[in-house]
Amino acid sequence: QVQLVQSGAEVKKPGASVKVSCKASGYTFTTYAIHWVRQAPGQRLEWMGWINPRNGNTKFSQKFQGRVTITRDTSASTASMELSSLRSEDTAVYFCAREGCNSVSCQHDYWGQGTLVTVSS
Amino acid sequence: SSELTQDPAVSVALGQTVRITCQGNSLRSYYASWYQQKPGQAPVLVIYGKNNRPSGIPDRFSGSSSGNTASLTITEAQAEDEADYYCNSRDSGDIVFGGGTKLTVL
Repeated sequence: QVQLVQSGAEVKKPGASVKVSCKASGYTFTTYAIHWVRQAPGQRLEWMGWINPRNGNTKFSQKFQGRVTITRDTSASTASMELSSLRSEDTAVYFCAREGCNSVSCQHDYWGQGTLVTVSS
Repeated sequence: SSELTQDPAVSVALGQTVRITCQGNSLRSYYASWYQQKPGQAPVLVIYGKNNRPSGIPDRFSGSSSGNTASLTITEAQAEDEADYYCNSRDSGDIVFGGGTKLTVL
């Protein structure tokens, strides 16, 4: 069965960076894009960006451009998201999600369990 | 990028039908997907495309779309349907989410 398993919770100081990983299993990793979505406490889901694991191409939300990096390790079927210059407003649960597509639509059909990142001095 | 607008909260009596809507310009070009999120859990895809349900999603969940508005309908709502519901769609190369609708089953 398809699973996305994320790395554990992190506590970081303002100005630091955090890297969250997402290990995929149960399907061919290079066949589906991986997206990153975050959710601050009590807030909406917020899309950050995505990576095509086949070729490593990425696209980011303009809000995070310059601060976020998404990479993949095809040998480990793992995607990672690194967010730099952390501030308190980055405290959130970070999710990875697989994007499945058919002939007319794309959707996030499987999600990781989420990783809480807390930014605090 | 454009935005998707959802009503913040909706309530439905147990066993009745409820419609949750999502409005935005991107929906004129792209289908919405709908996600159910319960407290402390990851979102779960419930409707995608024109009106498709992933395996395991009850058939009381259905979707529709007209113009710039997508709708998620839950017929004969159950207590376990109480959750936050989010729509999303593509917007050019980006993804945009709605603000979410908190569904209360009375």
